[in-house]
Amino acid sequence: ELKVEQNPLFLSMQEGKNYTIYCNYSTTSDRLYWYRQDPGKSLESLFVLLSNGAVKQEGRLMASLDTKARLSTLHITAAVHDLSATYFCAVDAANFGNEKLTFGTGTRLTIIP
Amino acid sequence: DAMVIQNPRYQVTQFGKPVTLSCSQTLNHNVMYWYQQKSSQAPKLLFHYYDKDFNNEADTPDNFQSRRPNTSFCFLDIRSPGLGDAAMYLCATSRPGTGGEKLFFGSGTQLSVL
Repeated sequence: ELKVEQNPLFLSMQEGKNYTIYCNYSTTSDRLYWYRQDPGKSLESLFVLLSNGAVKQEGRLMASLDTKARLSTLHITAAVHDLSATYFCAVDAANFGNEKLTFGTGTRLTIIP
Repeated sequence: DAMVIQNPRYQVTQFGKPVTLSCSQTLNHNVMYWYQQKSSQAPKLLFHYYDKDFNNEADTPDNFQSRRPNTSFCFLDIRSPGLGDAAMYLCATSRPGTGGEKLFFGSGTQLSVL
């Protein structure tokens, strides 16, 4: 059974600081996704990482994938209040293009002014 | 704009009273998914359709059923809702074979069971 774990589960950080969220998964996969969710809302796609060593950046967020270590990171640079949300990583369990995702536990990020 | 639409946004039902949630898409994607997300938890896949082929997750209760009458529509039926079925239900679509594209999620239906 595929397990996807994130840490930390809760993160409170000051504006302007940098931090990293970690996503570990238990089985071979070369497809990893990051989503953002605001309270009471649906999931917003942030990044799709499709190969070992993949790195993608959008604004203050940067995601990377190490398939050998079964690890993905989401790095936040100079955090701003608008980034407060819950962040989920998700792994394609089927791993043959069916995008059957298993989600991580989520990291609830709070940016403090 | 092409999108995934879920109705209603909020649904209240009574304990044991059947309820149906709907999802439609204009993306012409051949895969449609239903996820259940309970408060402060990760979304959990209930089942998905690959075209007309239904794929049930092993731990999805029999109380949950799904129908996909055509490419555009997919329904989630909860035959006898219990208090533990109160959750956000998320519909998503994808088109495999296009380079690992992301899932497109609808806005969700928040189900309350009284």
